[in-house]
Amino acid sequence: DAGITQSPRHKVTETGTPVTLRCHQTENHRYMYWYRQDPGHGLRLIHYSYGVKDTDKGEVSDGYSVSRSKTEDFLLTLESATSSQTSVYFCAIRSGHSPEQYFGPGTRLTVT
Amino acid sequence: AQKITQTQPGMFVQEKEAVTLDCTYDTSDQSYGLFWYKQPSSGEMIFLIYQGSYDEQNATEGRYSLNFQKARKSANLVISASQLGDSAMYFCAMRERAGNQFYFGTGTSLTVIP
Repeated sequence: DAGITQSPRHKVTETGTPVTLRCHQTENHRYMYWYRQDPGHGLRLIHYSYGVKDTDKGEVSDGYSVSRSKTEDFLLTLESATSSQTSVYFCAIRSGHSPEQYFGPGTRLTVT
Repeated sequence: AQKITQTQPGMFVQEKEAVTLDCTYDTSDQSYGLFWYKQPSSGEMIFLIYQGSYDEQNATEGRYSLNFQKARKSANLVISASQLGDSAMYFCAMRERAGNQFYFGTGTSLTVIP
């Protein structure tokens, strides 16, 4: 199994509070991704990174920011959480030498 | 327009039978990759199989094979000899070689009946 961890695994927070989710990898892979999974939508890309300090937006990036200061860590921040951001968040990694992604275990976020 | 379309929200298959899960894709790129992932009820996403657009042979991984029909823009997953542990959500995905983004379908829920 690819060495990917996500923290926290579960979080309940209130509307308007900031939230940061962490993705940590031990594979030294170049690419890292953040997705959200909602019923009826599959997985949708929020942001991705193609190297340290190199990030780009995905299809549902509004309300989210990311940072990658080290190869192994990719942080997703909700500056001011809203109920529409209640979801399961997955991190994924990909090396530059293989086509497939490998996923972390997911974080279930509930915004009340 | 949807990049990946999975038209079967739910499927049932008898144990030991084969089943085909449909996936169509939309791209104008000549170079792209197609993927299938499995998500059991426990929630993790498991990579199953990959097909490159220039691969001449259909990809196979154990009981999984990908029926790639380029002209039809379809990439159906075939599971042979279904097992109870195959009950899960299955997602089709695509990455265009020019970009880094992956596009996922909405998934198909497969139930294997004993």
